[in-house]
Amino acid sequence: DGGITQSPKYLFRKEGQNVTLSCEQNLNHDAMYWYRQDPGQGLRLIYYSQIVNDFQKGDIAEGYSVSREKKESFPLTVTSAQKNPTAFYLCASSLREEQFFGPGTRLTVL
Amino acid sequence: LAKTTQPISMDSYEGQEVNITCSHNNIATNDYITWYQQFPSQGPRFIIQGYKTKVTNEVASLFIPADRKSSTLSLPRVSLSDTAVYYCLVGDSNYGQNFVFGPGTRLSVLP
Repeated sequence: DGGITQSPKYLFRKEGQNVTLSCEQNLNHDAMYWYRQDPGQGLRLIYYSQIVNDFQKGDIAEGYSVSREKKESFPLTVTSAQKNPTAFYLCASSLREEQFFGPGTRLTVL
Repeated sequence: LAKTTQPISMDSYEGQEVNITCSHNNIATNDYITWYQQFPSQGPRFIIQGYKTKVTNEVASLFIPADRKSSTLSLPRVSLSDTAVYYCLVGDSNYGQNFVFGPGTRLSVLP
């Protein structure tokens, strides 16, 4: 089965801790993305990567970091610098103009 | 970047046709128009995509006028399971940030 997987589905973090969200795709897509979604709101772009070893900041990159060491993987780290990290995080990859989304990770800061 | 405007919410009844319009006045020549559907706590799902005129697939139609400054997603004979948020996306996502997600339209289908 081809697709995008995100783990974990739910994640709880204490204030001051860094956490890493996993995103893996086996669709052989070059481009990958991370979005944040707050309750009742639309999607906001955090980071994107067009090719391996390259990534660009999106609209709300502060407090987040990413890496793209392999084509299949695009992990997102939520650092302690992110002041309000509780949200639903979505990973996507794209082929031409269509984006394929993962199931999401819901992060809650305790 | 092409910004988009959509109605915040719409109500409909089962069996009716629903039309959701997205405005994108500064769409670029290379931009495609793509619509996604999102259910609560799930990732968005692709519905339909077009560049100009009319596109139809098994679930929806997309109408794009000649000036491409707006587009209309048409859902025929909606059911309760079509209750979701619908997003209009304009751009070319193969070039990273050269795209914008619209604010989304929350469609409620009533029995």
